Amino acid sequence: GQNIDQPTEMTATEGAIVQINCTYQTSGFNGLFWYQQHAGEAPTFLSYNVLDGLEEKGRFSSFLSRSKGYSYLLLKELQMKDSASYLCAVMDSNYQLIWGAGTKLIIKP
Amino acid sequence: DADVTQTPRNRITKTGKRIMLECSQTKGHDRMYWYRQDPGLGLRLIYYSFDVKDINKGEISDGYSVSRQAQAKFSLSLESAIPNQTALYFCATSEPGTDHTGELFFGEGSRLTVL
Repeated sequence: GQNIDQPTEMTATEGAIVQINCTYQTSGFNGLFWYQQHAGEAPTFLSYNVLDGLEEKGRFSSFLSRSKGYSYLLLKELQMKDSASYLCAVMDSNYQLIWGAGTKLIIKP
Repeated sequence: DADVTQTPRNRITKTGKRIMLECSQTKGHDRMYWYRQDPGLGLRLIYYSFDVKDINKGEISDGYSVSRQAQAKFSLSLESAIPNQTALYFCATSEPGTDHTGELFFGEGSRLTVL
């Protein structure tokens, strides 16, 4: 079966760096997505990786290793507004998105 | 105004009632989706449509039906609601051929409670 694993919850301190990991086993691979979802709100797109390596976008970076079935989202200079759930999703060979359950990130002052 | 609008935002209903959730979009996208989100689970695809004449079942279509009335409108129906359909429902759109093929644009969500 297809599976996306990510930690259920993480806690970090304002101003620090946090890395949220995602491992996947899917039928084929056509890209990996990270979304941010604040409580009670809709998910919003953060990043997309289809080739191995690091994609940087401001304070957020996303890394992909296709051979390891592994990705991480790196958040730098954490702010209180970064408190949210972070969803990892993989597009399989049928171009369907398979979603992880999300990682709830709690930022403490 | 939101690009993807869902109505109602919140609904409480009773077992056996028929419920319709509506979605409209101003993004001009051809592809539309209905997902449900439950605590501790990933988003699960119910139905999707790639254009007005195209309807496809997703991972969990049993107990649901959809209608694509126009490019901009995609509605989800629960013919006879049951308590395990209590969830947060999201409509989403996407456009193929963009830099981030597969990037989804979500509506604000419709929280449905079935008693």
